[in-house]
Amino acid sequence: QKEVEQNSGPLSVPEGAIASLNCTYSDRGSQSFFWYRQYSGKSPELIMFIYSNGDKEDGRFTAQLNKASQYVSLLIRDSQPSDSATYLCAVSTRDSGNTPLVFGKGTRLSVIA
Amino acid sequence: DTGVSQNPRHKITKRGQNVTFRCDPISEHNRLYWYRQTLGQGPEFLTYFQNEAQLEKSRLLSDRFSAERPKGSFSTLEIQRTEQGDSAMYLCASSSLAGGRSNEQFFGPGTRLTVL
Repeated sequence: QKEVEQNSGPLSVPEGAIASLNCTYSDRGSQSFFWYRQYSGKSPELIMFIYSNGDKEDGRFTAQLNKASQYVSLLIRDSQPSDSATYLCAVSTRDSGNTPLVFGKGTRLSVIA
Repeated sequence: DTGVSQNPRHKITKRGQNVTFRCDPISEHNRLYWYRQTLGQGPEFLTYFQNEAQLEKSRLLSDRFSAERPKGSFSTLEIQRTEQGDSAMYLCASSSLAGGRSNEQFFGPGTRLTVL
C-alpha cells in the first residue's frame, strides 16, 4: 500500500512569515513529487513539482526533496492571506506527472492578517 | 483552451439508482484521469485512459463502477446501484504526453455526488 502522510493541521502562520509544510511517503520507488493547492470547494491546482534531491525555488515557493529520508517539503515565504488553503502532497512512481498520483490528506494552512 | 469541464456539477440521487458523470478534457490532452475525493481526504485515483484505452483501474473501482472514453475525447464514469458510501466529489483531470517533464494534470471542477 503506497502511502503519503501529511499533518492535517491547521497550520496557522502570521502574514509575512514562512510557512513550512511537510510530507513523507512510503514507496522508495517514488520518482516524482508534486504540491497542489486546493481552495475550499475548488479543485486542486499544481504549484510545484520536484524530481531531484535538493531544493527547487519558484517565486515565494521552495520545494525540498530528500529521497533517502523519503521526505518532501514546501516552504512558502512572505505568506499572504490568499495562501490560506489546503496543500496536497502527491507522489508518482514514474518520472512524470502523466501517471496516477497518490495524494496525502493535505495540510490546511491559515495565514492570519 | 477552456480547461477541463465536468457535468453535472452536483448530483443528488437515491440509494440504488444509477448515475453517470461526464468529463471533457483539455483538447488534445492524451491522458484522462478519474479521482474521488471525500471530505478531509486527498483525491484517490480511480482509473485513467490514454486516448480511448483504459490503462489502469484502482482496487477502489468496484464492479459497480465503469468508465469509458469511446473516441479518445470526453469520458464518462457510471456508478450503478449507488450506495451512501459513494457520496464524494468525483474529479477528472487531463494531461498531455507532449511537452516538459512536469506533464501537469489539470483538474476539472468536479461533480459532487450525494447519495440519500
